[in-house]
Amino acid sequence: DVKVTQSSRYLVKRTGEKVFLECVQDMDHENMFWYRQDPGLGLRLIYFSYDVKMKEKGDIPEGYSVSREKKERFSLILESASTNQTSMYLCASSLAQGSQYFGAGTRLSVL
Amino acid sequence: QKEVEQNSGPLSVPEGAIASLNCTYSDRGSQSFFWYRQYSGKSPELIMFIYSNGDKEDGRFTAQLNKASQYVSLLIRDSQPSDSATYLCAVKTKTSYDKVIFGPGTSLSVIP
Repeated sequence: DVKVTQSSRYLVKRTGEKVFLECVQDMDHENMFWYRQDPGLGLRLIYFSYDVKMKEKGDIPEGYSVSREKKERFSLILESASTNQTSMYLCASSLAQGSQYFGAGTRLSVL
Repeated sequence: QKEVEQNSGPLSVPEGAIASLNCTYSDRGSQSFFWYRQYSGKSPELIMFIYSNGDKEDGRFTAQLNKASQYVSLLIRDSQPSDSATYLCAVKTKTSYDKVIFGPGTSLSVIP
């Protein structure tokens, strides 16, 4: 079974803090994704990566950055957390055909 | 026009009935289509994918694709209370990478 592991299930941070969300997949997938999910807004793509050190902006990249130094690991960085970044963050990975496998999610609260 | 549209629901069906979930998409060149199930408080899980026109069956689930009408559906036969969840339709676009567009999801409630 594909396993996508997110480092934290719940995080509470203060406004202005730098926040790191980590994601690791164990199936040698080329593609990795970061989404946020908010009630009424659905899943929105923040960034994705199709190879090591490669990244593409998604629909809502503002206020976020990413890092992919190894194939299995994709990190999402909130440079200066703000209250409007309180959300559920979901990491996913996929092979070339597009089927995505999600981690359990990180519920981030920014106070 | 939104790229992937679904009825938000909630859709309520009695236990044992057929639940029909619908999805339309705007990109005529879309290649691959996926259905995900998401239980409340959990992450989405892939339940089916379909690439070609017609029907694809997997147990109680059948995905139907009609590219001419830009329409994909998911039928759940013999619905069970455990099927109560939000169902997300996702469509792979023509871009070089495996970016998919998710619909807003349809909430399904199966009434015992």
